[in-house]
Amino acid sequence: GAVVSQHPSRVICKSGTSVKIECRSLDFQATTMFWYRQFPKQSLMLMATSNEGSKATYEQGVEKDKFLINHASLTLSTLTVTSAHPEDSSFYICSARDIAGGQNGELFFGEGSRLTVL
Amino acid sequence: QKEVEQNSGPLSVPEGAIASLNCTYSDRVSQSFFWYRQYSGKSPELIMSIYSNGDKEDGRFTAQLNKASQYVSLLIRDSQPSDSATYLCAVRRSYSGAGSYQLTFGKGTKLSVIP
Repeated sequence: GAVVSQHPSRVICKSGTSVKIECRSLDFQATTMFWYRQFPKQSLMLMATSNEGSKATYEQGVEKDKFLINHASLTLSTLTVTSAHPEDSSFYICSARDIAGGQNGELFFGEGSRLTVL
Repeated sequence: QKEVEQNSGPLSVPEGAIASLNCTYSDRVSQSFFWYRQYSGKSPELIMSIYSNGDKEDGRFTAQLNKASQYVSLLIRDSQPSDSATYLCAVRRSYSGAGSYQLTFGKGTKLSVIP
């Protein structure tokens, strides 16, 4: 299957700093990428839909000014957690859909990025 | 609120047995259904997808869908210790546009296959 790469896989930062997570589709183009967050023993919760060349669509309750999303190309979306706090510590996972995949195109997931805010 | 419900488990089965995982969903017009396997600390990987009523088999895995009952299940035959993981049921929203590819996940069922 197609490959989605996330970086970094783990990051530890101090409270108040900003952290950028990259999501790349390595062998396909993705006009749409999705960012999920998963707390321990919880399911994946969709945070936002990242659209290439336009503004991201955020789910209810997700602060767009805190979680900045940029989707500047068909293979790269970035999530920046601004002024991170300990409650932002979580597992962040991106997924991407191959634009050539048709209506039932599979979503491919990145490896995830575990953020720990001290 | 569109929901996907799963029994959190843990579900314990002996090696070689059939593991049966169940999922119900509330959005009646949902069209696409997926089972993902997630190992601890890892991201989900797709096991099965199913779009129409009935059974779909792939190796040791069989997905079953009943849209009238809003129910989807996953059977794992000849369960192996390596199948021990959390299994996430996911449902794709039905409306058009980029958002139609969003998935709503259940909380997952933790499966433990005992050697």
